[in-house]
Amino acid sequence: DAKTTQPPSMDCAEGRAANLPCNHSTISGNEYVYWYRQIHSQGPQYIIHGLKNNETNEMASLIITEDRKSSTLILPHATLRDTAVYYCIVRVVNAGGTSYGKLTFGQGTILTVHP
Amino acid sequence: DARVTQTPRHKVTEMGQEVTMRCQPILGHNTVFWYRQTMMQGLELLAYFRNRAPLDDSGMPKDRFSAEMPDATLATLKIQPSEPRDSAVYFCASGSSGGIGRQFFGPGTRLTVL
Repeated sequence: DAKTTQPPSMDCAEGRAANLPCNHSTISGNEYVYWYRQIHSQGPQYIIHGLKNNETNEMASLIITEDRKSSTLILPHATLRDTAVYYCIVRVVNAGGTSYGKLTFGQGTILTVHP
Repeated sequence: DARVTQTPRHKVTEMGQEVTMRCQPILGHNTVFWYRQTMMQGLELLAYFRNRAPLDDSGMPKDRFSAEMPDATLATLKIQPSEPRDSAVYFCASGSSGGIGRQFFGPGTRLTVL
C-alpha cells in the first residue's frame, strides 16, 4: 500500500471548518484513500473513503486532487468532540469492489479543536 | 447500533502469566482483525481472519502469541507467557469482505504486564 504523509498536528476553532491534508504521491490506480479517526481512549472510527471523486457523508467531505497524489478531509463545522487523531490510509481494493487485508496506520494528525 | 465488544477492558497481570483477550465481532461480519497500540509503535496489525481462517499473522510474535476464532462469534488473542513489553492496548475490529473495506473497532483491552 502507498505511504501517506500528514502534518503531525493542527488546530481549529470550534465552529470553523477543519481541513486536514494528506499526501499520497505514490498512490496506484487501484488504491483508495480512507480516513479514520481515534478519539482519546477509544478505538479508531471510520470517517470516509474515496477513489478519485470527491465524497461527502454525514461526518465529513473528502476532496481528492485530480492527479490523486493528495487529498483533504474537511470537517465543515468542527466541534470540541472532533478533537482526535486523524489517519489517512491508502489501500488496495480489488477489481470486484471488495477490499482485502489490513489497514496500515501511520502517525496521523492530532487535531485540536478549541473554543 | 451493532458494535464490536471486547473483554476484559482492562487487565493487569504479572510477567509469565497467560493472558486471554476476547472479541465478539459484529454479527454477519466475516473478517476479524487484531491490532496493538503503543506510544512508541502506534497502531500495528497483529493478525486477521476471514471466515474464521487466519489470513495473515505476520505481525504477531509467534513464540508467545496465538490468535484463533473458535466460532464466528468469538475471536481470541492469547499471550503465553506475557512480558512487560506486551503492555499495550489491543483492539479487535471486524468487517465484511464484500463491502468497502470499512472496519469497525472495539473499545480495546488495556493490558499491563508487571
